[in-house]
Amino acid sequence: NAGVMQNPRHLVRRRGQEARLRCSPMKGHSHVYWYRQLPEEGLKFMVYLQKENIIDESGMPKERFSAEFPKEGPSILRIQQVVRGDSAAYFCASSPVTVNTGELFFGEGSRLTVL
Amino acid sequence: AQTVTQSQPEMSVQEAETVTLSCTYDTSENNYYLFWYKQPPSRQMILVIRQEAYKQQNATENRFSVNFQKAAKSFSLKISDSQLGDTAMYFCAFILSVDATNKLIFGTGTLLAVQP
Repeated sequence: NAGVMQNPRHLVRRRGQEARLRCSPMKGHSHVYWYRQLPEEGLKFMVYLQKENIIDESGMPKERFSAEFPKEGPSILRIQQVVRGDSAAYFCASSPVTVNTGELFFGEGSRLTVL
Repeated sequence: AQTVTQSQPEMSVQEAETVTLSCTYDTSENNYYLFWYKQPPSRQMILVIRQEAYKQQNATENRFSVNFQKAAKSFSLKISDSQLGDTAMYFCAFILSVDATNKLIFGTGTLLAVQP
């Protein structure tokens, strides 16, 4: 029973390039969450998606960041024109239903380094 | 706005000893959930324990237990008989019961090192 799969685990980009992070939720889970962990900080909510819908993107910067969860395939977090401040660990989590119990299943994260 | 504070950036404990990690939170709401998540060096976050605010009884899960003081807005985690595998970053987290988006609010974490 595979858990939440994220790739790549590590990604290095130069300033101005694009970063794409992928997340495959646990089997049977249709809700995906993206969190960002900056150095020395806790995880911060970015966006909550269901299949083909963005439910809550209140934590995502308005510029350069976008997320999708298509009908087929993984969820994608896309960061355009990356800057050094985007360097962080990006975590994806999934849940089977919209139950606000906070029991999310996390992936191992994707660490983005911007040179 | 809700906030979660973990005032201990790092802690160390000897194997088989007991350690307590502190967490305080701030909210004006009455119904919420509190959590401790563990992030081992492999980096996958795992739920350790959960507490519903309406329950007075402290949650326990094997060697892990919490001391939930609602009036003081305190939610500490006690790890008994510490094991080397308990070495990890521990995050306290909070969610409102009315939040349908599972928008967890995390503290900054406590890095626990269990020494042999």
